[in-house]
Amino acid sequence: DAGVTQSPTHLIKTRGQQVTLRCSPKSGHDTVSWYQQALGQGPQFIFQYYEEEERQRGNFPDRFSGHQFPNYSSELNVNALLLGDSALYLCASSLAREVDFGPGTRLTVT
Amino acid sequence: GENVEQHPSTLSVQEGDSAVIKCTYSDSASNYFPWYKQELGKRPQLIIDIRSNVGEKKDQRIAVTLNKTAKHFSLHITETQPEDSAVYFCAAIKGTYKYIFGTGTRLKVLA
Repeated sequence: DAGVTQSPTHLIKTRGQQVTLRCSPKSGHDTVSWYQQALGQGPQFIFQYYEEEERQRGNFPDRFSGHQFPNYSSELNVNALLLGDSALYLCASSLAREVDFGPGTRLTVT
Repeated sequence: GENVEQHPSTLSVQEGDSAVIKCTYSDSASNYFPWYKQELGKRPQLIIDIRSNVGEKKDQRIAVTLNKTAKHFSLHITETQPEDSAVYFCAAIKGTYKYIFGTGTRLKVLA
């Protein structure tokens, strides 16, 4: 079992651009959550997907959107990128109390 | 709103000494409290967790205590080793796995 995987590993974008990050959950997990981790900070909850719908959302603007596919994989989309969006984006998949984090995607906005 | 405060932000200890990290949560309905260790450039890894019906849990050199009345919980690492150096995060969870993380503690174990 490969566990949670994310792509790409690193990404550099320019202000105003759009970005899509991808997450494949651990086998058997049906829920995917996304977190933003700024340098030196704890992860901040963005949103959670279950049964292809957004189940919960943190305090992030509408520029952040997502999707979950029938195979439980998920995408995070960020529009109109700002310098402050530079961070490590973590995906976590879960089933009941079992939660696993992916390695993250490092996004740099210049 | 939901909030988890974590202290200290940095902690340096001599090898062999103990380290204690404390977290306070705001939502009294939180019922699950995991601790994660994150090494530089790597994903958070679960090291120990405790549920609200338990006051203390121990796993070798690591222990966690929970005080539900005061809404705080602590991570205790005894006989620290250089490989314990990392950033540690606490989290408080209520219901459907929305983790509210603390801001992290950078632990340095000095050889």
